[in-house]
Amino acid sequence: DSGVTQTPKHLITATGQRVTLRCSPRSGDLSVYWYQQSLDQGLQFLIHYYNGEERAKGNILERFSAQQFPDLHSELNLSSLELGDSALYFCASSPSGGGTDTQYFGPGTRLTVL
Amino acid sequence: AQSVTQPDIHITVSEGASLELRCNYSYGATPYLFWYVQSPGQGLQLLLKYFSGDTLVQGIKGFEAEFKRSQSSFNLRKPSVHWSDAAEYFCAVDLMTTDSWGKLQFGAGTQVVVTP
Repeated sequence: DSGVTQTPKHLITATGQRVTLRCSPRSGDLSVYWYQQSLDQGLQFLIHYYNGEERAKGNILERFSAQQFPDLHSELNLSSLELGDSALYFCASSPSGGGTDTQYFGPGTRLTVL
Repeated sequence: AQSVTQPDIHITVSEGASLELRCNYSYGATPYLFWYVQSPGQGLQLLLKYFSGDTLVQGIKGFEAEFKRSQSSFNLRKPSVHWSDAAEYFCAVDLMTTDSWGKLQFGAGTQVVVTP
């Protein structure tokens, strides 16, 4: 158990819908990262938040947005869902966000878009 | 283009045999290097990481990795594999630029199957 929690574990929805994935980092960690794992794209970095501020952005679609709240939990919002958005979404956290940090991964949220 | 390559998609190894997983990177400078393992239905767990210094890095679960600058490689090894090592293994790099701290770039992964 990494100490990172993600809810829900599974999510099934339809095209065009909007969903919110939630992540609670390890106690004391200030950084939260989001990754997408799909069969065709592999593991891709989406976005990094540090203490409420966006720190780095990857190949995140405009339909996707994220935020980190004052209590440091984070939410990833996915809208106008398409079939291709079906994937495993991981959240990770780390103490400070520096490159030497170890990122601790949650168990993931499996999103299925029908 | 910048990339992380794991040439072997799938490796089958007998229990007790040695294992070596290959990872090559293509970047202008030496990035920070990581190996993660993903067991079925689980998140990723860090096995080891390399930033600088001794090029042979020891990790958890009996794994080690060797950084070779001349070959742009960071191969993962284990001398004797256990059935519980069956999993998918990912090599990752952090470019360590000011706008990409913590942005891990992953290889495609190597699926390891352990036979009795």
